[in-house]
Amino acid sequence: AQSVTQLDSHVSVSEGTPVLLRCNYSSSYSPSLFWYVQHPNKGLQLLLKYTSAATLVKGINGFEAEFKKSETSFHLTKPSAHMSDAAEYFCVVSEWVGRRALTFGSGTRLQVQP
Amino acid sequence: DAGVTQSPTHLIKTRGQQVTLRCSPKSGHDTVSWYQQALGQGPQFIFQYYEEEERQRGNFPDRFSGHQFPNYSSELNVNALLLGDSALYLCASSAGTGTYEQYFGPGTRLTVT
Repeated sequence: AQSVTQLDSHVSVSEGTPVLLRCNYSSSYSPSLFWYVQHPNKGLQLLLKYTSAATLVKGINGFEAEFKKSETSFHLTKPSAHMSDAAEYFCVVSEWVGRRALTFGSGTRLQVQP
Repeated sequence: DAGVTQSPTHLIKTRGQQVTLRCSPKSGHDTVSWYQQALGQGPQFIFQYYEEEERQRGNFPDRFSGHQFPNYSSELNVNALLLGDSALYLCASSAGTGTYEQYFGPGTRLTVT
């Protein structure tokens, strides 16, 4: 069975400082991993995905994540936070072949202080 | 190109009633997945449809059922509503096997009183 643990339910940073959102996963097979963002009253948007190619994945809006198999981690980072980054972030794993179902973490709320 | 659309946006029902939620996938997508997102939690997979059949199912009771139409749109039905069914119901669409991206609609907010 697959699962995801987001290690922080809430992260607060100042604008212009780095962002780190932590995620550990558990999977019986080689997983695909994703980060999705959810702004208030908006749908989920895919930030980036790891699908067994390069372990360092670049996404939209300056975000990136590194797949570390030995640590079963997939942490999300951004060098410099912007006010518009304030949102809920979900780490997601999928291991089913074919048309994939997604398993979401519980989410990390990112707050960006001016 | 319209993305994934869902209707209605909001819905209020009473315990014991039945509800139907609707989803139209993104153009070119043939697979629809439904998720339930309770307040303060991550979405949970309910089931997935393609070729008009339920192909995968999460840990949800039989009160949750669905349907996919020939035009790939889908319905989620919930019978005998419980207070605990209050949540945001999200529809996601994707295209074909081996496709990693799922595109999400804005959701339907269901409140059960």
